[in-house]
Amino acid sequence: QQQVKQSPQSLIVQKGGIPIINCAYENTAFDYFPWYQQFPGKGPALLIAIRPDVSEKKEGRFTISFNKSAKQFSLHIMDSQPGDSATYFCAASMGQAGTALIFGKGTTLSVSS
Amino acid sequence: GAVVSQHPSWVICKSGTSVKIECRSLDFQATTMFWYRQFPKQSLMLMATSNEGSKATYEQGVEKDKFLINHASLTLSTLTVTSAHPEDSSFYICSARASQKHEQFFGPGTRLTVL
Repeated sequence: QQQVKQSPQSLIVQKGGIPIINCAYENTAFDYFPWYQQFPGKGPALLIAIRPDVSEKKEGRFTISFNKSAKQFSLHIMDSQPGDSATYFCAASMGQAGTALIFGKGTTLSVSS
Repeated sequence: GAVVSQHPSWVICKSGTSVKIECRSLDFQATTMFWYRQFPKQSLMLMATSNEGSKATYEQGVEKDKFLINHASLTLSTLTVTSAHPEDSSFYICSARASQKHEQFFGPGTRLTVL
């Protein structure tokens, strides 16, 4: 049973657009929600993460919105650039030390110039 | 951010041989390291979790005798693929986390091709 559902599977936007990627989780014990960016042939890079005690977090052009009651969180990329073209993964984990991340299936983003 | 390295970045081997992949945390002590496998255009699949000085915990369906994991120090974990076969060809990625921290940092990955 997939515990983190991510959508859409792929996304195409024009330069300057604001792509939005959504994730939903089922386990209410999750309390850490990161987003990773992965380029082909590279390992994932941590972009931004949020804890459930806040509803929004911004770092540069990346924003996470978090809805605890709906068990959903999303990534917004402001002023998207062709260099943002990559695969994005949401993930979730529980507070216990050593708990592994549960990943969504990923979203392939293409930003056209 | 914290830096995690992997070596080698790619390896080609013959069927039946063993391959060792190293994962190092360069600027922090990693009490927990994770090993993932990723097929093309798919998500990361957790293979095992290793805590320094303890035996690794393997996910269901992952053969512990085939994928040997050692986490002997706070900065180094190794994955050995024993008696590799073509179906073991994949992208293997490690990640590391410091004690009592949530952040998990990934290595650049190792592309394994078994002929």
